[in-house]
Amino acid sequence: GDSVTQMEGPVTLSEEAFLTINCTYTATGYPSLFWYVQYPGESLQLLLKATKADDKGSNKGFEATYRKETTSFHLEKGSVQVSDSAVYFCALGQGSGTYKYIFGTGTRLKVLA
Amino acid sequence: SQTIHQWPATLVQPVGSPLSLECTVEGTSNPNLYWYRQAAGRGLQLLFYSVGIGQISSEVPQNLSASRPQDRQFILSSKKLLLSDSGFYLCAGQGDNSPLHFGNGTRLTVT
Repeated sequence: GDSVTQMEGPVTLSEEAFLTINCTYTATGYPSLFWYVQYPGESLQLLLKATKADDKGSNKGFEATYRKETTSFHLEKGSVQVSDSAVYFCALGQGSGTYKYIFGTGTRLKVLA
Repeated sequence: SQTIHQWPATLVQPVGSPLSLECTVEGTSNPNLYWYRQAAGRGLQLLFYSVGIGQISSEVPQNLSASRPQDRQFILSSKKLLLSDSGFYLCAGQGDNSPLHFGNGTRLTVT
């Protein structure tokens, strides 16, 4: 079945460091790909998305490119801030209208001042 | 834009007691609806999803059930809770051409 694999955390970085969180997927067909973020004590919210190969999603300085050839959707940010500390989830959406979503296990990011 | 309402925010229940968590959706019609569970230190597990009234798909055999009595209402239930049912339960919805939106979640502790 479909699956999403994320790098294990926690990831600890200093402020202004470069961030990469790896995500790879296994799916039949052509899923949409997403990154969701969960700030401490809160629910999940959509960070960015890409709906087809070579699309780049971006938001709040974060970027991810849909790479079909490597089945990857790695999350990057050039300069992290303390406020970026959160758990990041990679997800794929499959089916007509994207009705079935599969999430990775999440990667906790801690940014130190 | 769509809003997902979930309640209660926290719940402590004894083993063997029943459970009913309710989720309602505003701002869209005929949404796809989902129940996820997030266990401590683990990722999101899809429990149920529904593409319409009375249509429920179960992803994981377990002690829980779901129902969708109205277009914008999704209910998660159990007749007898187990300790292993403890976790953070999230309802999510997806309207036409929109990504998944989550409610604020219910933290369930079974004692």
